[in-house]
Amino acid sequence: DAKTTQPNSMESNEEEPVHLPCNHSTISGTDYIHWYRQLPSQGPEYVIHGLTSNVNNRMASLAIAEDRKSSTLILHRATLRDAAVYYCILRLNAGGTSYGKLTFGQGTILTVHP
Amino acid sequence: DGGITQSPKYLFRKEGQNVTLSCEQNLNHDAMYWYRQDPGQGLRLIYYSQIVNDFQKGDIAEGYSVSREKKESFPLTVTSAQKNPTAFYLCASSIGTASSNQPQHFGDGTRLSIL
Repeated sequence: DAKTTQPNSMESNEEEPVHLPCNHSTISGTDYIHWYRQLPSQGPEYVIHGLTSNVNNRMASLAIAEDRKSSTLILHRATLRDAAVYYCILRLNAGGTSYGKLTFGQGTILTVHP
Repeated sequence: DGGITQSPKYLFRKEGQNVTLSCEQNLNHDAMYWYRQDPGQGLRLIYYSQIVNDFQKGDIAEGYSVSREKKESFPLTVTSAQKNPTAFYLCASSIGTASSNQPQHFGDGTRLSIL
């Protein structure tokens, strides 16, 4: 399975932008890049995903490098409610014996200071 | 509101006992999944089901069993054969497994501990 590498932790101040990096140098051509976040004692929450082009939704933006070997999740204005563990995941292209499972790594612990 | 409901939130198991964790979804999703999360770790896939009356083993299926008799329900049984069951169990669903473009929706988990 293609793996991702994320910093163990990052800190931000409230109302400031946050850029969460992810390296995935062994990504396959058809793997989607997904981001989830998890608050303490809760299930993961889907944030955003993309393939090649940058993506925006109401929660965040996803910037994907041209060679697809890295990506960055951007929270435009961090709030205290954004404090969570953020997971960058390569979603295996389902087909044949594959089944699109999510492989979670350690993630990045984001701390937001008031 | 549509979503995934897991129950109970906390569960205790005695030695040699089987316990069943409930997962119900009203999202009309075809695919459902069970993951296990240990402290400070990522999620690991136990079982998944793409359609009613069908399910497949994930990466750590030993000591667990599932059933998928209804589209809405995917209960997980932790059997006595699972020697280290203490963990946070998460159920998820998605529209299908056939596309890596579909996000998974998670419940709030069941925390299982050994008495």
